[in-house]
Amino acid sequence: RKEVEQDPGPFNVPEGATVAFNCTYSNSASQSFFWYRQDCRKEPKLLMSVYSSGNEDGRFTAQLNRASQYISLLIRDSKLSDSATYLCVVRRSSGGYQKVTFGTGTKLQVIP
Amino acid sequence: DVKVTQSSRYLVKRTGEKVFLECVQDMDHENMFWYRQDPGLGLRLIYFSYDVKMKEKGDIPEGYSVSREKKERFSLILESASTNQTSMYLCASTIGGTQETQYFGPGTRLLVL
Repeated sequence: RKEVEQDPGPFNVPEGATVAFNCTYSNSASQSFFWYRQDCRKEPKLLMSVYSSGNEDGRFTAQLNRASQYISLLIRDSKLSDSATYLCVVRRSSGGYQKVTFGTGTKLQVIP
Repeated sequence: DVKVTQSSRYLVKRTGEKVFLECVQDMDHENMFWYRQDPGLGLRLIYFSYDVKMKEKGDIPEGYSVSREKKERFSLILESASTNQTSMYLCASTIGGTQETQYFGPGTRLLVL
């Protein structure tokens, strides 16, 4: 089983729609969680960290469910510019260093 | 603004050639990483370094080596390139400690013929 799993999509949604992605992780020792955004043929960039109590940044809301071992990303009022691949990232301690694992990403296409 | 640069955006090499990929960061970051990204497989960690002259194997180190002689520079070496090393290679750096935001370079698309 992969350590981090995401639905690859694509999610095709109309402008203005609300869309949510989930990401599951297999290691209960995972400590920190992040969402990165990757535009086509570009490098990944941090979108937001995911805190235990949930957090919001404008139209984006991230949630963590430790009991079920998943994190989610909710995008409200989708814009064309939100079209990208969203990578789930999980961090845990391993052998004296921090192991960071990326999911394979969920592709979002916002259509006019 | 953090800047991570990679020596080439595109490279075409032949099987058996030795390939050097260079990565430089300008923010005095402690940690540097090399990943490869392939469709359906996501980013996979090849090697990382937490300090000058220090290196640790990631998840897929076979066929690769690295060098970190200076803090700002982390090189990935393909000793004898093979066609299955055709991929997008991404370098990243982090400040260290509990700050784990990874800053990525623009990537190098390597084609091995």
